[in-house]
Amino acid sequence: DGGITQSPKYLFRKEGQNVTLSCEQNLNHDAMYWYRQDPGQGLRLIYYSQIVNDFQKGDIAEGYSVSREKKESFPLTVTSAQKNPTAFYLCASTPSGTGAGSSNQPQHFGDGTRLSIL
Amino acid sequence: AQKITQTQPGMFVQEKEAVTLDCTYDTSDPSYGLFWYKQPSSGEMIFLIYQGSYDQQNATEGRYSLNFQKARKSANLVISASQLGDSAMYFCAMRGIFSGGYNKLIFGAGTRLAVHP
Repeated sequence: DGGITQSPKYLFRKEGQNVTLSCEQNLNHDAMYWYRQDPGQGLRLIYYSQIVNDFQKGDIAEGYSVSREKKESFPLTVTSAQKNPTAFYLCASTPSGTGAGSSNQPQHFGDGTRLSIL
Repeated sequence: AQKITQTQPGMFVQEKEAVTLDCTYDTSDPSYGLFWYKQPSSGEMIFLIYQGSYDQQNATEGRYSLNFQKARKSANLVISASQLGDSAMYFCAMRGIFSGGYNKLIFGAGTRLAVHP
């Protein structure tokens, strides 16, 4: 079955450490997204990528970095500059990301990664 | 600025009854899409229903229907015949061509629904 795989499910970060969250999709989707969810709140967009080798900052990109070297992979690095990284991180994808005709495409989500500070 | 507002932090409903979850939105884009997602306690986001801004009829998917009132900028989710498994967080989201020509999904804060036996 096609889908989005996020790993690990749980992750712990030490002070001053960078950690990388994995997101892999086998849906052949062009667009991928990273969201952060704090307890009891909605999702906020961190980064998104419409196509390989291209990505754009979302609303809360500070302290995070991404890469998109392959169509199926969109890893998120939480850097030491992110002072409050404890949250639930969700990765999503859509077949395409641009153009008016793509606005009806629902985002497919992975199961998420819970990141905590040690 | 684009915005989604869900004014009900929590809702209770008796099993087998219908419930309406409110969602209002704000956008200046002429073309946009509205989505509802369900998030159980396990955390995954489950797509429920979609409504396009130009759709003439309200969307329906099984027990889910969307009460779309474009002039009021509201897109309320109606769940008929509630089941215990419907207990979850529900998020309203909007997608359109925002800045830079890229589609982005904007989420509301969510409504926690509890279904009682």
